Amino acid sequence: GNSVTQMEGPVTLSEEAFLTINCTYTATGYPSLFWYVQYPGEGLQLLLKATKADDKGSNKGFEATYRKETTSFHLEKGSVQVSDSAVYFCALSDATDSWGKLQFGAGTQVVVTP
Amino acid sequence: ETGVTQSPTHLIKTRGQQVTLRCSSQSGHNTVSWYQQALGQGPQFIFQYYREEENGRGNFPPRFSGLQFPNYSSELNVNALELDDSALYLCASSLASGAADTQYFGPGTRLTVL
Repeated sequence: GNSVTQMEGPVTLSEEAFLTINCTYTATGYPSLFWYVQYPGEGLQLLLKATKADDKGSNKGFEATYRKETTSFHLEKGSVQVSDSAVYFCALSDATDSWGKLQFGAGTQVVVTP
Repeated sequence: ETGVTQSPTHLIKTRGQQVTLRCSSQSGHNTVSWYQQALGQGPQFIFQYYREEENGRGNFPPRFSGLQFPNYSSELNVNALELDDSALYLCASSLASGAADTQYFGPGTRLTVL
């Protein structure tokens, strides 16, 4: 079956540091890949997505590139802010499914200190 | 444009009771999905509704059931509540049910079963 594996947290960084959160996946079909962010006490917000190999998703300074050869979709940001403190979820939706079920990783908590 | 809304925000029930959670989709969206997020974990897919029909189901027992109404709002019903049902329940709507369609999440309903 499909699965998503993320690096464990918490990841603690100083403001303006470089952030990388690793995400790898297994899928039977040709998945679309997503990063969602969850702030404390809130639901999930879409951060970015990519729907085919070599696509790069980007939003709010975050980027991730769909790498089919390494089955990865690592999230990066060049300079984090305290407001980026949240839990980040990598997810996939498999195109062989007729319905777009999202399969999530366990989440990575990011803590940015001033 | 109104986003996805859910009610109630919090709910406390006792084991064996029944609960109904509600979700209003984002305007123009005909697909709604429900997820269960246990504390410290990623969301798990419960089921999806597309144009009032169940369009797919995750690994949840039949006591988890749902409805989608002509205005595309939705309900999640859980019968015979168990302690393990304590979680954040998330509703997400999308324009369609394809793998590449972005799912927009509501803020969730926090269910506590005592």
